[in-house]
Amino acid sequence: AQSVAQPEDQVNVAEGNPLTVKCTYSVSGNPYLFWYVQYPNRGLQFLLKYITGDNLVKGSYGFEAEFNKSQTSFHLKKPSALVSDSALYFCAVRAPGAGSYQLTFGKGTKLSVIP
Amino acid sequence: GAGVSQTPSNKVTEKGKYVELRCDPISGHTALYWYRQSLGQGPEFLIYFQGTGAADDSGLPNDRFFAVRPEGSVSTLKIQRTERGDSAVYLCASKSSGASTDTQYFGPGTRLTVL
Repeated sequence: AQSVAQPEDQVNVAEGNPLTVKCTYSVSGNPYLFWYVQYPNRGLQFLLKYITGDNLVKGSYGFEAEFNKSQTSFHLKKPSALVSDSALYFCAVRAPGAGSYQLTFGKGTKLSVIP
Repeated sequence: GAGVSQTPSNKVTEKGKYVELRCDPISGHTALYWYRQSLGQGPEFLIYFQGTGAADDSGLPNDRFFAVRPEGSVSTLKIQRTERGDSAVYLCASKSSGASTDTQYFGPGTRLTVL
């Protein structure tokens, strides 16, 4: 069975500082990895994904994530945080191969960017 | 273009009642998913449709939950004899067909409250 761990319930960062939101995963085979962001009373918005290729993936709103196979991690990063980045962030994994392509999500990390 | 839409946005019902939640996917998306997000948790997979058929319903918690997609577009999630534990946000997502198009796009969700 696949699983995702987001070890931090909350991350606080000052505006303009770099931010990192951590994610580790467990899945059989090569993983498909995703980050989504959720604003209050809104659905999930897709940020970026890793399927194959370059370990550093760039996504929307200046976010990027680095796939590290040996550490089974897919941490989300941004060089300079904005107050508007404050939201709930979810990491998700999908097992490779055929099937329903269902996503398994972590519990989420609340990011607060302090002005 | 239009994204995934879900109605109603909020639904309050009494224990034991029947509810229907509707999802209208992105036009042309053949894959449709339902997830349930409880407070403080990440979304959990319920059911997956490819076209009109439920290809994977392994996430449905019990036989009170049922979903249909009769014409391969709009889907309805049906919950019979609702219980207080069913209170959650129900999310719908859609995706293009094909393994190379792995991104699921989510709707805003329906917040179900069972009193």
